[in-house]
Amino acid sequence: DQQVKQNSPSLSVQEGRISILNCDYTNSMFDYFLWYKKYPAEGPTFLISISSIKDKNEDGRFTVFLNKSAKHLSLHIVPSQPGDSAVYFCAASGDGGSQGNLIFGKGTKLSVKP
Amino acid sequence: ETGVTQSPTHLIKTRGQQVTLRCSSQSGHNTVSWYQQALGQGPQFIFQYYREEENGRGNFPPRFSGLQFPNYSSELNVNALELDDSALYLCASSFGQGSYGYTFGSGTRLTVV
Repeated sequence: DQQVKQNSPSLSVQEGRISILNCDYTNSMFDYFLWYKKYPAEGPTFLISISSIKDKNEDGRFTVFLNKSAKHLSLHIVPSQPGDSAVYFCAASGDGGSQGNLIFGKGTKLSVKP
Repeated sequence: ETGVTQSPTHLIKTRGQQVTLRCSSQSGHNTVSWYQQALGQGPQFIFQYYREEENGRGNFPPRFSGLQFPNYSSELNVNALELDDSALYLCASSFGQGSYGYTFGSGTRLTVV
């Protein structure tokens, strides 16, 4: 059973528009959430994070929203650029497991068309 | 500052063999975590090393073991390889246990035939 779910395997967006990537989780003990971006043949790169005590965190073109009651978070990219095309992973921690244990979703492949 | 370096980049092994994967952590980082990413899946936590000791472990059998050296580099060893061990193995370094400021390497692609 997956504790972190990214139900959309892929998303295609026009350059300049907003990209919204979604993530759902099942474990209410999670207290920290992160988004990573991964290009082919490279390791995941940290993008943005949010603590469970907040509902929004913004960094430039990237904003993460957290809805704890719905156990849902989303990543907004505005405006989307072709260089944003990559696989985006949602990750969570704080389930009482091992230190440094991040639980990842399966990822969403974002394609930004020029 | 150098990033996380993993070697080799690709590897093919036969079922039943043993394999050692290596990771050099980013300068200034003292914690190393290993993840397994199977095709179409997200990375799955194997274990973490801090101050040369295993600091936490995911749901992996004992044939997955590791080491961390005084210079904070690390090895992942897998014994008695199975076909399902075929995956991308990612190493991530960070400063301090419990930190999520991971820097990931590009990974080692292991194929077991």
